[in-house]
Amino acid sequence: QKEVEQNSGPLSVPEGAIASLNCTYSDRGSQSFFWYRQYSGKSPELIMFIYSNGDKEDGRFTAQLNKASQYVSLLIRDSQPSDSATYLCAVNGGAGSYQLTFGKGTKLSVIP
Amino acid sequence: EPEVTQTPSHQVTQMGQEVILRCVPISNHLYFYWYRQILGQKVEFLVSFYNNEISEKSEIFDDQFSVERPDGSNFTLKIRSTKLEDSAMYFCARSGGDDQPQHFGDGTRLSIL
Repeated sequence: QKEVEQNSGPLSVPEGAIASLNCTYSDRGSQSFFWYRQYSGKSPELIMFIYSNGDKEDGRFTAQLNKASQYVSLLIRDSQPSDSATYLCAVNGGAGSYQLTFGKGTKLSVIP
Repeated sequence: EPEVTQTPSHQVTQMGQEVILRCVPISNHLYFYWYRQILGQKVEFLVSFYNNEISEKSEIFDDQFSVERPDGSNFTLKIRSTKLEDSAMYFCARSGGDDQPQHFGDGTRLSIL
């Protein structure tokens, strides 16, 4: 059974601070890693994706991947109240399986 | 703007009835997926569909469920003989390739009474 684990939070950070969200996964064969943002009652919205070990930056967002530790993280710099949402980590199955396995998500609250 | 359009946005159905959820891609894509999210729970994979065939399906996707692309455009999920536990948000997603990021539609909220 493939598992993706996230701290459910809530994670509270002040406006302007860095928010750090973490995710671990069980399947060593996983090759692609995604972060989605989900506002309450809405659908998941793709924020970042990463395929290789290391860091990938896009604006205020940085995704970090460490396949040896089976660990993915998302950093949000200069956090804004509009970043308040649940952040979902998703991992593909690897070995020709492209279905996404999602974590339960981390709820982030950015305090003005 | 979502890259797939889902209809209806909300469906209320009596237990035991059949429902059809629809997904219409904005542009021509070959890779489609259905996921569901029961209230308060994680997003769960149901089925993936490539080139008019099922490519993967989960344990949830049993004989009660079926997918098809009847007119080459709309992509449908049919749930036969609905049960109370089928109440959930159902999301359609598309991708540009089998390992490419998946983009979700706004979802259909299915309520079984």
